Amino acid sequence: QKEVEQNSGPLSVPEGAIASLNCTYSDRGSQSFFWYRQYSGKSPELIMSIYSNGDKEDGRFTAQLNKASQYVSLLIRDSQPSDSATYLCAVPRGTGGFKTIFGAGTRLFVKA
Amino acid sequence: DVKVTQSSRYLVKRTGEKVFLECVQDMDHENMFWYRQDPGLGLRLIYFSYDVKMKEKGDIPEGYSVSREKKERFSLILESASTNQTSMYLCASSLRQGIGYGYTFGSGTRLTVV
Repeated sequence: QKEVEQNSGPLSVPEGAIASLNCTYSDRGSQSFFWYRQYSGKSPELIMSIYSNGDKEDGRFTAQLNKASQYVSLLIRDSQPSDSATYLCAVPRGTGGFKTIFGAGTRLFVKA
Repeated sequence: DVKVTQSSRYLVKRTGEKVFLECVQDMDHENMFWYRQDPGLGLRLIYFSYDVKMKEKGDIPEGYSVSREKKERFSLILESASTNQTSMYLCASSLRQGIGYGYTFGSGTRLTVV
């Protein structure tokens, strides 16, 4: 089992729809979780972090965390073509949490 | 905004050469990281540093070394470049480690070893 797993996609949604991206992790001791967006040919950029069970909202983005089930998700409301990118789930691990593990990413296409 | 600057966007080197990849951040971040990103393998941690002159191995340190003589600069060294080190190299920094502190990435260096 991979430490951080994501469906590689591609996930295709129409403009204006809700895109739902999921991530599962194996280390029950993980405490914080991050979502990054990576446009083609660019480097990852941080979108959100979450560390408490439940939902965290930031504009059109909502991160959801369920530690009991070991999954974290990212919802993108009112999806726009500019949201088309690969979304990476990242989980710090190890002493001090320095060794962040990145999932392979889910490719999202938003159709105009 | 924090800026992480990688010295080269594209590099082509020959097998056996010693290669230096430079990374500089401008916001006094404690931690710096080197990752490589390959299709199908995702981002993999090579080395990280949590303080000046301090370094720790990541998941794939073989064939690499690092140097952090100043807080703002973290260098990745390929001692003797090989073709399997052809990759996109990404430098990142974080203010400190802990809940909520994500990474800021540089724009990456695409290295080709021929």
